[in-house]
Amino acid sequence: AQSVTQLDSQVPVFEEAPVELRCNYSSSVSVYLFWYVQYPNQGLQLLLKYLSGSTLVKGINGFEAEFNKSQTSFHLRKPSVHISDTAEYFCAVTYGGGKLIFGQGTELSVKP
Amino acid sequence: DTEVTQTPKHLVMGMTNKKSLKCEQHMGHRAMYWYKQKAKKPPELMFVYSYEKLSINESVPSRFSPECPNSSLLNLHLHALQPEDSALYLCASAKAGEETQYFGPGTRLLVL
Repeated sequence: AQSVTQLDSQVPVFEEAPVELRCNYSSSVSVYLFWYVQYPNQGLQLLLKYLSGSTLVKGINGFEAEFNKSQTSFHLRKPSVHISDTAEYFCAVTYGGGKLIFGQGTELSVKP
Repeated sequence: DTEVTQTPKHLVMGMTNKKSLKCEQHMGHRAMYWYKQKAKKPPELMFVYSYEKLSINESVPSRFSPECPNSSLLNLHLHALQPEDSALYLCASAKAGEETQYFGPGTRLLVL
């Protein structure tokens, strides 16, 4: 079955430290990958996406992710986090057809 | 403009009430989606409309009735809901033939 696994449910980190949020997906020939962020009491905002082409994808707010086909991973990284990055982060995948499959989410908590 | 709007922001209803949620986008997107999100969980797909026609119903109870009156508007009619239906209801849209979904801010529903 198609699935997405976010390996960490909670990631605490100090301000200005680097962070990596991990995401693995079940293998397929063709896959499209997304990271969304959800701030408290808000909807989902698209951070970045991989559809094809370069495996290093840059998004908003200084985030980037790398598509690794051999490891079926799409980890999200930021070199220096801010308090304002505190939020829930969802990795999502679609294999076409419009159905997004979400991971369980990672709660990023940035402490001063 | 990548904005999806949803009204109302908050809704409290009794189990015998009838209410509707509204979603609007003016990006020319031809696919529109309803999701349900419980606290600390990822969004769950409920319905997909493609070119104003219902294309996916994820076995949602009939007390939820979607409607797509035109390409910019998506409604979710609610009737005889249960307390366990309390959740954040998210709308999303996407360009025809594309996989990237853009989400609205959601309607937080409380059923008493």
